[in-house]
Amino acid sequence: QVQLVQSGAEMKKPGASVKVTCKASGYTFTDYYIHWVRQAPGQGLEWLGWINPHSGTTKSPQKFQGRVTMTRDTSISTASMELRRLRSDDTALYFCARSLTGLLWFDPWGQGTLVTVSS
Amino acid sequence: DIQLTQSPSFLSASVGDRVTITCRASQGINSYLAWYQQKPGKAPKLLIYAASTLESGVPSRFSGSGSGTEFTLTISSLQPEDFASYFCQQVNSYPSTFGQGTKLEIK
Repeated sequence: QVQLVQSGAEMKKPGASVKVTCKASGYTFTDYYIHWVRQAPGQGLEWLGWINPHSGTTKSPQKFQGRVTMTRDTSISTASMELRRLRSDDTALYFCARSLTGLLWFDPWGQGTLVTVSS
Repeated sequence: DIQLTQSPSFLSASVGDRVTITCRASQGINSYLAWYQQKPGKAPKLLIYAASTLESGVPSRFSGSGSGTEFTLTISSLQPEDFASYFCQQVNSYPSTFGQGTKLEIK
């Protein structure tokens, strides 16, 4: 079955960077976009951007440009998201999710990776 | 950015009740709207896409309607496993945005 499995929880200090990975299985990795979404404690969902695993092209909202880097390794069907210059308000559950194009609904989602930023 | 406003934010209901959640967009998004269910500490699960198309495997008690700026998610007869949070998402234009969520609790 189609599955996205993410890396484990991370605890970081302010100013550091974090990298979260998302391993895909059950489908052809390069046929679907991978998105990144986060959810701060008790809050709603915020889209961080996508990567097209076929081309490596990425897109993210202006808010995250310069701070988020999305990459992929097609040899191991894995997408990664690095967030730099972490702040306390980056503490959140980070999800990867799949879609057929860059602007379409997400299905399925990874299980989530908790990133905690604290001094 | 397109803002999605869900109402209500909290909803208390009983098993067997019919409930409706509304999602209003700050500008027209055609039918490019999805609904997700999320349980605590878990990933969202796609319920409905294109405003009214039921995702495969989702029970038929869930339904969606609307287009343009106003959309609804209806659960015709609440089951115990339906008590969760629900989010809408627009995919009409970048950046994709989500509603703030509706938490459905047992009365």
